[in-house]
Amino acid sequence: DAKTTQPPSMDCAEGRAANLPCNHSTISGNEYVYWYRQIHSQGPQYIIHGLKNNETNEMASLIITEDRKSSTLILPHATLRDTAVYYCIVRVAGDYGGATNKLIFGTGTLLAVQP
Amino acid sequence: NAGVTQTPKFQVLKTGQSMTLQCAQDMNHEYMSWYRQDPGMGLRLIHYSVGAGITDQGEVPNGYNVSRSTTEDFPLRLLSAAPSQTSVYFCASMRSGANVLTFGAGSRLTVL
Repeated sequence: DAKTTQPPSMDCAEGRAANLPCNHSTISGNEYVYWYRQIHSQGPQYIIHGLKNNETNEMASLIITEDRKSSTLILPHATLRDTAVYYCIVRVAGDYGGATNKLIFGTGTLLAVQP
Repeated sequence: NAGVTQTPKFQVLKTGQSMTLQCAQDMNHEYMSWYRQDPGMGLRLIHYSVGAGITDQGEVPNGYNVSRSTTEDFPLRLLSAAPSQTSVYFCASMRSGANVLTFGAGSRLTVL
C-alpha cells in the first residue's frame, strides 16, 4: 500500500496562497490521491482528489507531478477558517476490487493561517 | 438527511466495562468504517464494512468488534474496555465506487 509523507506543520499569511506538499513515491498506477482536512475536534472533511491530471474545485487545487510521486494542495486565498490539519492519503485497493476504499490516514500537516 | 450520526458524544467507562458506540447513516451508503484518533496522531482505521453482513479489519482492530446487520447501522463494541482505548472515535460512510468519505462528529471515550 502506498504511503504518504507530509511536513508536520506549516504557516501561511491570511489572504496568501497555502501550498501543502505530499510525497507518495510508492503510489501505484491506479491509486488516487485524496485530500481531507480536520478542523479542531471535528470529523475530517473531504477537499479534493485526483489521479493524474491537475484538479480544481471551489475549495482548492490539486497539482500532481508527472511521475505521480508527489502532489501539492493549493488553497488560493487562505483564511483563518482554513487553519486545520490537512491529510494527504492514497486510496488502497481492497479485497472486493474497485468498490472498496480502505482509506488510511497519516498524521497530516497542521496549517496555521496567521492574521 | 442527517448524514452520519454518532452516539454518544461523550462517555466515561471504568476498566473492564463494555459498551457500544453507535453509528447510523441515512444516505444508503454501502461502505462504513470506524477510526480512532489519539492526541497528536492521525486517524487509524479500526474496522470497515463494504455492505450488510460483511466486515473486515483495519489497522488497529484488537479489542473491538463490529457487525453490519443493516445498511444504515455499524456499531462498534468494546467488550472489556482498557485505558489504552481512551480516544476519539469517528465513524465514516461512503457510497461504493464514490470517492468521498462522510464523517460523523465523533465520540470521545475515556476509560479510567
